[in-house]
Amino acid sequence: DVKVTQSSRYLVKRTGEKVFLECVQDMDHENMFWYRQDPGLGLRLIYFSYDVKMKEKGDIPEGYSVSREKKERFSLILESASTNQTSMYLCASSLEREGWVEQYFGPGTRLTVT
Amino acid sequence: EDQVTQSPEALRLQEGESSSLNCSYTVSGLRGLFWYRQDPGKGPEFLFTLYSAGEEKEKERLKATLTKKESFLHITAPKPEDSATYLCAVGNFGNEKLTFGTGTRLTIIP
Repeated sequence: DVKVTQSSRYLVKRTGEKVFLECVQDMDHENMFWYRQDPGLGLRLIYFSYDVKMKEKGDIPEGYSVSREKKERFSLILESASTNQTSMYLCASSLEREGWVEQYFGPGTRLTVT
Repeated sequence: EDQVTQSPEALRLQEGESSSLNCSYTVSGLRGLFWYRQDPGKGPEFLFTLYSAGEEKEKERLKATLTKKESFLHITAPKPEDSATYLCAVGNFGNEKLTFGTGTRLTIIP
């Protein structure tokens, strides 16, 4: 079975704190993604990675960075959290192969920045 | 720029009342159209991938269809457990990204 896990379901941080969100997949997928989901805006891609140590900016990378040191693990970092980063964060992974493949999502982390 | 529009935003149905959800899309080269189900407070759960116009996929009470401009998710004789938000997304040749719609929130009333 496909399995994507995220380090926390709920997280409360203060403005200015450095925040780490971690994602682990056990399917040997090459591609991993970080999204944020806000009411009325849908899912928006923050960053993705297609290989270890490789990363690409998504649609809204400002204020975020990522790290992928191992194939199974993809971390999202908020260098200095701000209240406008309060959101649901979703990690996903997909297998790289001929043709298109679906993305599998983790359970999400609800982050509140106060 | 790829675009996905889902309608209606919300839909309330009586148990057993069949209906359809719409996903209209604009993409320069359709690599795949995806349907997901999302329960409150959880991550999206993959349902279907459609690759070309005319294709259909079925799973229990759900059937997804695809044309060159839109996709429909048909729900036949729904049950309360089908209540969820249904998301549509498209993939474009040349990149690994998906573009998501904002979803249809479906409520099935017993």
